[in-house]
Amino acid sequence: QSVLTQPPSVSAAPGQKVIISCSGSNSNIVNNYVSWYQQLPGTAPRLLIYENDKRPSGIPDRFSASKSGTSATLGIIGLQTGDEADYYCGTWDTRLSAYVFGTGTKVTVL
Amino acid sequence: QVQLVESGGGLVKPGGSLRLSCAASGFTFSDYYMSWIRQAPGKGLEWVSYISSTSTYTYYADSVKGRFTISRDNAKNSLFLQMNTLRGEDSAVYYCGRVGASGWYTDYWGQGTLVTVSS
Repeated sequence: QSVLTQPPSVSAAPGQKVIISCSGSNSNIVNNYVSWYQQLPGTAPRLLIYENDKRPSGIPDRFSASKSGTSATLGIIGLQTGDEADYYCGTWDTRLSAYVFGTGTKVTVL
Repeated sequence: QVQLVESGGGLVKPGGSLRLSCAASGFTFSDYYMSWIRQAPGKGLEWVSYISSTSTYTYYADSVKGRFTISRDNAKNSLFLQMNTLRGEDSAVYYCGRVGASGWYTDYWGQGTLVTVSS
């Protein structure tokens, strides 16, 4: 059972915006950087966001993220069919001395 | 470009052992921490283990501690995961990853290797 909670699914029409939440606690999100990963169907995950809000080279600026208190959010604007994937947050948990992933959110483009 | 290629997966009986390998290229392997992350069929991601650049430090998820051992050979740009006393719940795709230079995130992932534990 993950210590980071995400909504199971979110959906929107092409061109619209979705926001994915990641809820944690003082031992993880509050005191550690959050990362976000995208996993397209049948493929390995890839890094979308690191250090709460930084995008690796090659990740479009349609993807953005932020962190506040015990929660983090990932936003996708200008939604495209190619964005249909599972999205996971992740961070270090100081109490568990372990890296933890969120429960995952499936994004569907209507 | 960074490439990570896992191998060694397969079918093993409960209680058995398996050794996974990951061949790295396209970066200075000895400069980076490395990770193993797994994903059971139809499930989410689960972090398994980290190893520091010089093997000084290793970290394990509680679910594998005492049964799995991470190691690396910097001369051969290779990462390993020795898995002993395997259980059904260890069945998963195992991904090798490079840990980011500035934190615990995994910035590059291999394509994964499937481990199935079944009698």
